[in-house]
Amino acid sequence: DAGVTQSPTHLIKTRGQQVTLRCSPKSGHDTVSWYQQALGQGPQFIFQYYEEEERQRGNFPDRFSGHQFPNYSSELNVNALLLGDSALYLCASSLGTDVSTDTQYFGPGTRLTVL
Amino acid sequence: QKEVEQDPGPLSVPEGAIVSLNCTYSNSAFQYFMWYRQYSRKGPELLMYTYSSGNKEDGRFTAQVDKSSKYISLFIRDSQPSDSATYLCAATNSGGSNYKLTFGKGTLLTVNP
Repeated sequence: DAGVTQSPTHLIKTRGQQVTLRCSPKSGHDTVSWYQQALGQGPQFIFQYYEEEERQRGNFPDRFSGHQFPNYSSELNVNALLLGDSALYLCASSLGTDVSTDTQYFGPGTRLTVL
Repeated sequence: QKEVEQDPGPLSVPEGAIVSLNCTYSNSAFQYFMWYRQYSRKGPELLMYTYSSGNKEDGRFTAQVDKSSKYISLFIRDSQPSDSATYLCAATNSGGSNYKLTFGKGTLLTVNP
């Protein structure tokens, strides 16, 4: 079982650019959540996707958008990058949307650096 | 005030020590509590899961929740160098529509041989 995979591993962008990060969930999982983890901080919830729809969004601006495909994989898009967007972006997958009962499995993350 | 507060440490202990990691939370709706372990350059992995108040033990690890004081603890007995990692506490609500975990900052633990 491959577990949750994310690509790319590292990414360097400049301010104002746009970026797309990708996530493949653990086999059999239908729900994908995205988190942002700034250096020295805990992960912060960005949004969750289930059945190709955004189910809930955290306190992030509209510059952050996502998509889920029929095979349950997901993309996170960030437009008009700011220096403060530099962080580790984590994808978590689960079987079901209720994180109180459906264990989330995290990928290794994509390290985004904005210069 | 953040919903989940955690002392970031760092914490350094000798091998074999008992480690105590702690968090406090402010949201009374939180009913489910987790501890995640995150090795350097890796994603978090679920270590312990607790519902409401009480203790849960799994091998060398014990998780405690005291809802009256809104206090969450993780104890590691006979700590090993392989336990060196960042430990994240997390919480979520009860009922439906629980789509997100709220994490603390994480505590960096180093166990020295």
